[in-house]
Amino acid sequence: DIQLTQSPSSLSASVGDRVTITCRASQGIDNYLAWFQQKPGKAPKSLIYSASSLQSGVPSKFSGSGSGTDFTLTISSLGPEDFATYFCQQYKSYPLTFGGGTKVEIK
Amino acid sequence: EVQLVESGGGLVQPGGSLRLSCAVSGFTFSDHYMDWVRQAPGKGLEWVGRIRNKANSYTTEYAASVKGRFTVSRDASKNSLDLQMNSLRSDDTAVYYCVRGSSGLVPALDYWGQGTLVTVSS
Repeated sequence: DIQLTQSPSSLSASVGDRVTITCRASQGIDNYLAWFQQKPGKAPKSLIYSASSLQSGVPSKFSGSGSGTDFTLTISSLGPEDFATYFCQQYKSYPLTFGGGTKVEIK
Repeated sequence: EVQLVESGGGLVQPGGSLRLSCAVSGFTFSDHYMDWVRQAPGKGLEWVGRIRNKANSYTTEYAASVKGRFTVSRDASKNSLDLQMNSLRSDDTAVYYCVRGSSGLVPALDYWGQGTLVTVSS
């Protein structure tokens, strides 16, 4: 199975900050990586697919990059609505696997 | 508008069975892969299983933790995705999400349902 390691597991940031979350795969997954946002008590929401493509309706402050084993999700200017947990997920091979999550909290 | 609405969750005893359903609308159901993903209370996301689209003969894949106990199926006439869960264990307790696969040769997960809670306890 492909393991995904996210870092950090949590972070504190202020509104307006630039935030970067990393996701490392245990083996190469080309660009078959997605990012999701989840707020408490809600279903995950898709943000990015193919490592860097924005899902329809997702604001451009979110961006993704990377290929192979190392990936990043960046929020260019954190808004109050962005405090949530973020998960990466690979769909290169079965079983599909998720990272452990990064909780973004208010400083 | 794409909509996925799960139902069928509830309390079940260890060793018991439960069938979840997901009613879909807003897209051509037969064109898309469909997945189940679960989340145990306070934990991360775990992929459960997938059923491919009509073009790929509705074949299935499963996580090792549920293979042989869970079955993913779909009913094109009802626009419904199902998850039959047998031999349930306490570690199957989770919110179960129905998820659509995007278009394309290697589908990403795009739209998620609101989830339904399954609790396995005596």
